[in-house]
Amino acid sequence: QSVLTQPPSVSAAPGQKVTVSCSGSNSNIGSNHVSWYQQLPGTAPRLHIYDNDKRPSGIPGRFSGSKSATSATLAITGLQTGDEADYYCGTWDSGLNVYVFGSGTRVTVL
Amino acid sequence: EVQLVESGGGLVQPGGSLRLSCVVSGFSVTSNYLNWVRQAPGKGLEWVSVIYGAGSTSYADSVKGRFTISRDYSKNTIYLQMNSLRADDTAVYYCARHLGGLDYWGQGTLVTVSS
Repeated sequence: QSVLTQPPSVSAAPGQKVTVSCSGSNSNIGSNHVSWYQQLPGTAPRLHIYDNDKRPSGIPGRFSGSKSATSATLAITGLQTGDEADYYCGTWDSGLNVYVFGSGTRVTVL
Repeated sequence: EVQLVESGGGLVQPGGSLRLSCVVSGFSVTSNYLNWVRQAPGKGLEWVSVIYGAGSTSYADSVKGRFTISRDYSKNTIYLQMNSLRADDTAVYYCARHLGGLDYWGQGTLVTVSS
């Protein structure tokens, strides 16, 4: 049972937009910055968003993040087949003094 | 160039022990938070442990009392000593640096706990 809640899957056609939600609590998302990770099959996760809405070098502008209160959202616009992957949110939990991940969301390009 | 390279995984019997290593290059193990994250087959990511720059540590409840994270400044390496291993510890174990987010990851090392 993950501390952060994500939908199991989302899908859209190429070129469309998808959003992935991540719901937490005051002690994690409500108090700390959120990151988003993309994991392609058989590979290590890759950071795509940090500090709620910042993109590391090399991550396309089609990926964006936002946070409001105890929830965060990842948006992918102009969806491409290469975006098919599992996406995880993550943040520190100040109450538990641990890092917590969401349950993961499979993004499918129809 | 920042790199993290794990090693030490393998097959171990229930109740056994294993020590994972993560050799770091491109930065000092004393200057950032370094974490272990695992992923059981077909499952999601699970955070395991962190060692902070000052040397303090934290653990997930699932491994507390069984796993120990440590570092060797001279070898620029972190370790995960895993004792009393159980079948549900079977996973790919990644080391990852936290700077903003978990920004650099190793390739992972597979630990299989089975008789």
